[in-house]
Amino acid sequence: DAGITQSPRHKVTETGTPVTLRCHQTENHRYMYWYRQDPGHGLRLIHYSYGVKDTDKGEVSDGYSVSRSKTEDFLLTLESATSSQTSVYFCAISRTGEGGANVLTFGAGSRLTVL
Amino acid sequence: GQQLNQSPQSMFIQEGEDVSMNCTSSSIFNTWLWYKQDPGEGPVLLIALYKAGELTSNGRLTAQFGITRKDSFLNISASIPSDVGIYFCAGLDAGNNRKLIWGLGTSLAVNP
Repeated sequence: DAGITQSPRHKVTETGTPVTLRCHQTENHRYMYWYRQDPGHGLRLIHYSYGVKDTDKGEVSDGYSVSRSKTEDFLLTLESATSSQTSVYFCAISRTGEGGANVLTFGAGSRLTVL
Repeated sequence: GQQLNQSPQSMFIQEGEDVSMNCTSSSIFNTWLWYKQDPGEGPVLLIALYKAGELTSNGRLTAQFGITRKDSFLNISASIPSDVGIYFCAGLDAGNNRKLIWGLGTSLAVNP
C-alpha cells in the first residue's frame, strides 16, 4: 500500500451541487496531483500541488479548485457540479526517482456521477 | 494538451503468447514510464526508464527507452490471465520536467 487514501470512493450527486473529494497521504511527499480519467481521453491533469498552499493548474482545471493546507491532504472541489464532470478522479503523489524524475503513485480513485 | 501515440489501442491474445506495445512522441523525452491499471484501481508503476537505449526488465516484462528518445516499447512474455488490464505509457518532456505526458492506453485481454 502506497499510503494514499481517496474519499469518497463513490459519489452520486445532482447538477449544481458542490462536491469535495479528499486525498490523504501518509508518505510526506511534496507533490500531489488530481487527475480525471475518461474513456478516449486517458488521464488528464486537473491541478497539482508542490507544497502546502502552493498549487497550479493542469490542462483541464476549469470548474475545479483545490486546496492544500497540510502536507498530507489535497482537496479537489467542484463548486457547482455539471454532468461533464462525471468521471473517475485519481489522486497521485510524486516520488522522486533516478535523475530526479517525478514517478507518480496513484490512489484507488473516486468515481463521481453527476445527474 | 500534448499526448503520446500509444499502440495498439487494444489486444486480445491467447494465454502464453508474447505481447508488444509501444509509444511514440513528436518531442524528445528524458523519462519513460509504463503503468498498468486493473479494473477499479489506480495505475501502478511497472517500469521506469531514464536513459536512451536503456533496457529494463521486471519479471516477464521488458521495456526499452528508444535511442532517439522519442519512443519506448513494452513487451510481456508468456502472458497469463492476470496480465489483463490497461497499460499506459507516460513520459517527461525534456522541456518540462514537472508534468507527465500520458498515452491513451492499450487494453489487453487474455484468453485462458
